[in-house]
Amino acid sequence: AQRVTQPEKLLSVFKGAPVELKCNYSYSGSPELFWYVQYSRQRLQLLLRHISRESIKGFTADLNKGETSFHLKKPFAQEEDSAMYYCALTRGGADGLTFGKGTHLIIQP
Amino acid sequence: GAGVSQSPRYKVAKRGQDVALRCDPISGHVSLFWYQQALGQGPEFLTYFQNEAQLDKSGLPSDRFFAERPEGSVSTLKIQRTQQEDSAVYLCASSKGGSLNQPQHFGDGTRLSIL
Repeated sequence: AQRVTQPEKLLSVFKGAPVELKCNYSYSGSPELFWYVQYSRQRLQLLLRHISRESIKGFTADLNKGETSFHLKKPFAQEEDSAMYYCALTRGGADGLTFGKGTHLIIQP
Repeated sequence: GAGVSQSPRYKVAKRGQDVALRCDPISGHVSLFWYQQALGQGPEFLTYFQNEAQLDKSGLPSDRFFAERPEGSVSTLKIQRTQQEDSAVYLCASSKGGSLNQPQHFGDGTRLSIL
């Protein structure tokens, strides 16, 4: 069965500092990877997906199949980035998401 | 509506009671998913519909959990004889579906508390 691991439950960085949220996965096939974000009092929303290879709100994530990782990065953190971040994968097609436990990112002023 | 709508937002029930949670997906979305999110955990997949067909129910934790989507739009998740471990946020998501993987759009969830 597939699994997603987010090793950091909480990550606190100062405004303007670089941010890296770690995500590792295990799946024998070719998964599709996502990052979802949940801001305070808002619903879970898609931040980015690996097949799009785009940057959203300054965040990027590169799929590293050799290391089975999909870390989320941003060079300069902003206070509005404070939120819960979940890494997730699907096996492809219309399939349920397998989520990690999430990382609570706090950006200190 | 603009997004996935779930009702009620909060539900409190006594252990042993039956509950029903409703999900209105985005209009025209073919795929519908239910997830359970316990406190401090990520969402866990429960079941998946494509139109009215329930294609995957592998995540349902017991036979007390039942989901339906009879007309391929609104879905209901029913939990019979609720237990305290059923306390969680239940999330519904919908997507356009089809052969290409489409992103899932989530509702606000129903927070279920079993006393």
